Amino acid sequence: DAKTTQPPSMDCAEGRAANLPCNHSTISGNEYVYWYRQIHSQGPQYIIHGLKNNETNEMASLIITEDRKSSTLILPHATLRDTAVYYCIVTGSTDSNYQLIWGAGTKLIIKP
Amino acid sequence: NAGVMQNPRHLVRRRGQEARLRCSPMKGHSHVYWYRQLPEEGLKFMVYLQKENIIDESGMPKERFSAEFPKEGPSILRIQQVVRGDSAAYFCASSLTSGRSEQYFGPGTRLTVT
Repeated sequence: DAKTTQPPSMDCAEGRAANLPCNHSTISGNEYVYWYRQIHSQGPQYIIHGLKNNETNEMASLIITEDRKSSTLILPHATLRDTAVYYCIVTGSTDSNYQLIWGAGTKLIIKP
Repeated sequence: NAGVMQNPRHLVRRRGQEARLRCSPMKGHSHVYWYRQLPEEGLKFMVYLQKENIIDESGMPKERFSAEFPKEGPSILRIQQVVRGDSAAYFCASSLTSGRSEQYFGPGTRLTVT
């Protein structure tokens, strides 16, 4: 079973910031938070990951709470092409934690 | 820089036939993972391979399914005697180093069993 909880769906207006929450209350000290997304019928796309510090790349920002029990993925200026299912995945950093365990994700719909 | 390539993109097989799905990882990646996705569900891990070795096949059904990643050529996921329940999207991913959670996915092969 997935170690994360996400809302099933969210809407966001085009051009606004999309904030996608994820709860991972049972996360342990060496486990990372990964975000992927899957645009309809395509292969999943890696977005970002973090351990405890906030992270930013060209696609998004990841904010992890101090207790690490939840995080938020931020798409700063959402476009229609960001409509997708977003998956928050908790996984360890060791060599045995390659089995990404996918929950239901959040279906994000960007509206014009 | 080519990404992960999978072929065919769509495959139709009759019950009892064999299905062969191919995956070429990103350049420089020697670690390959296969996942299956049923309609309206998340991906399920099937198998992890390195060149010429199966590292973890715990997610793959014991019968009819096999996978390989030869020294030369693409990784192959083979399904023998397909049944309707095998109809799904099969995704391949690759990573640069061993067992990484940062994986790069191909476009998938959609298998339909009639």
